[in-house]
Amino acid sequence: QSVLTQPPSVSAAPGQKVTISCSGSSSNIANNFVSWYQQFPGTAPKLLIHENTKRPSGIPDRFSGSKSGTSATLGITGLQTGDEAVYYCGAWDNSLSGGWVFGGGTKLTVL
Amino acid sequence: QVQVQESGPGLVKPSETLSLTCTVSGGSISRSSYYWGWIRQPPGKGLEWIGSIYYSGTTYNNPSLKSRVTLSVDTSKNQVSLRLSSVTAADTAVFYCARHSTWFGSNDYWGQGILVTVSS
Repeated sequence: QSVLTQPPSVSAAPGQKVTISCSGSSSNIANNFVSWYQQFPGTAPKLLIHENTKRPSGIPDRFSGSKSGTSATLGITGLQTGDEAVYYCGAWDNSLSGGWVFGGGTKLTVL
Repeated sequence: QVQVQESGPGLVKPSETLSLTCTVSGGSISRSSYYWGWIRQPPGKGLEWIGSIYYSGTTYNNPSLKSRVTLSVDTSKNQVSLRLSSVTAADTAVFYCARHSTWFGSNDYWGQGILVTVSS
């Protein structure tokens, strides 16, 4: 059971837009930055969004992040088949059982 | 460009201690404002943070693993290390080394990961 809650899967057609939600609590998302990661099979997670909304150099602006209260959302526009991957949200948790916490991952299928 | 590389045995026997090293190149591990952490991923499952260490030796640890985890840093070699004791099959996972900022903005640089299997 992951501390952050994500839908197990989402799907959309090429060229369309998809959003992936990430729900947490006051000890993590509400009071700390949210980051998003993309992972292809057999490879390490790659940073897509940091500090809620910022894209690292080289990440296309088709990827966007937002946060409100205890939830965050990753948006991907102009879907491409190459976007098929598992997406994770992450945040620091300030509770006694805290540290970095992650969502269970969302498998994106581009139909 | 910072590069991160994990190394260590790919097979560990139950009840023994897993030892991994993370070597950083392209940047100093002693750079202020960044921690170096370990994150693991059991096969087919999600990400689990193990712990993080600052170049000064300050650590954060996952409470669920804390009693079995030892983190250390060797600034002369630009390396951090992980020791996980009393391993069981449940500890089988890909182990990643990753950098994160002191303001917890993200884990920005990741190693390729190393699969460690616990089996007799």
